Amino acid sequence: DAGVIQSPRHEVTEMGQEVTLRCKPISGHNSLFWYRQTMMRGLELLIYFNNNVPIDDSGMPEDRFSAKMPNASFSTLKIQPSEPRDSAVYFCASSPHGTRWNEQFFGPGTRLTVL
Amino acid sequence: GQQLNQSPQSMFIQEGEDVSMNCTSSSIFNTWLWYKQEPGEGPVLLIALYKAGELTSNGRLTAQFGITRKDSFLNISASIPSDVGIYFCAGLGTGNQFYFGTGTSLTVIP
Repeated sequence: DAGVIQSPRHEVTEMGQEVTLRCKPISGHNSLFWYRQTMMRGLELLIYFNNNVPIDDSGMPEDRFSAKMPNASFSTLKIQPSEPRDSAVYFCASSPHGTRWNEQFFGPGTRLTVL
Repeated sequence: GQQLNQSPQSMFIQEGEDVSMNCTSSSIFNTWLWYKQEPGEGPVLLIALYKAGELTSNGRLTAQFGITRKDSFLNISASIPSDVGIYFCAGLGTGNQFYFGTGTSLTVIP
């Protein structure tokens, strides 16, 4: 079975550009989570959705970040405009039974570099 | 911000040795989770703990939910080279806030 799929795996962009990260959760999972991982701050929860509805976006760092989940099989995390401090690995995870924190399956991540 | 501190930050051990690491918090947690992350991959859940004092094993791994609810411990017995990776604790706080720890990097020398 396919796990959580993220694309692209690597993204290099210049400061000021718009960046869109994509995630396809595991089929049948109804919760989706976006995380950011950096050396300085570790793994941070940015936002999570339950049944395509954003439940908690308090981890989103600022208005330049936005996330959508138009349907059960797709989510995007957008940064506009991007800044060098946004460089990080961004993970998407999905869960099969609501926001069950102990049942999250993580994708391989997208490594973002903003020059 | 992040509330979970892990120690040690890194470990270099000989194959066959046992490993102990811990995770502490300034506030009470209702659930403790332990994950392992390998290079280029996302974290994978190893063990989940749900009540104070709980001791749970998964093969050579054993984790405990501290009785104060502010800490958790992970032990790995008889380490092998494939145990290499970064181990993260994670916790669900009383306000349903979820945090990851700072991570412990484990290197096993054959």
